[in-house]
Amino acid sequence: DGGITQSPKYLFRKEGQNVTLSCEQNLNHDAMYWYRQDPGQGLRLIYYSQIVNDFQKGDIAEGYSVSREKKESFPLTVTSAQKNPTAFYLCASSISLAGGLYEQYFGPGTRLTVT
Amino acid sequence: ILNVEQSPQSLHVQEGDSTNFTCSFPSSNFYALHWYRWETAKSPEALFVMTLNGDEKKKGRISATLNTKEGYSYLYIKGSQPEDSATYLCAIIQGAQKLVFGQGTRLTINP
Repeated sequence: DGGITQSPKYLFRKEGQNVTLSCEQNLNHDAMYWYRQDPGQGLRLIYYSQIVNDFQKGDIAEGYSVSREKKESFPLTVTSAQKNPTAFYLCASSISLAGGLYEQYFGPGTRLTVT
Repeated sequence: ILNVEQSPQSLHVQEGDSTNFTCSFPSSNFYALHWYRWETAKSPEALFVMTLNGDEKKKGRISATLNTKEGYSYLYIKGSQPEDSATYLCAIIQGAQKLVFGQGTRLTINP
């Protein structure tokens, strides 16, 4: 089955520890994204990558880091510098449509709780 | 950063009734608008991509309209069913392959 997998579904960490969230896709999409969702807010873009070995900061990149060594994988590290890391994290990838448009496909998400 | 607003934030509708909700966005430099449906414990799924003023898209009982001059889109659901219960997200393209999302409308269909 083609799709996006994120693991684990739930993740618990102690404050001060770095944690890496996994995102893998077998859709052969070039672009991948990380979003964060907090209660009552829309999805906010953390980082995105349009091609292997390249990535750009989104709107809330502080305290996060990413890598894109393979087309299929876009792991997100939540560092101890992130002030409020507890949130729901969604990974996505996108395919280009006609006319310069694109459609994003989402993974199932990882809920991170830091205490 | 673009500001995308969705209203209402939550909505309870009786099964069989029709409903609609709104996505508002800045009308300047508009390129495209996306609607997604996000069911509990599942991944968000794309419903529509809309680009042209006056555009209307339809998928089964769900349809959407777009007014780029005044900066809003409506999503309509006709004859609501329990399986329509979900959060509906709209998003606007900002720059190359970047989407800015609204906070979503959480729809609950009461049987």
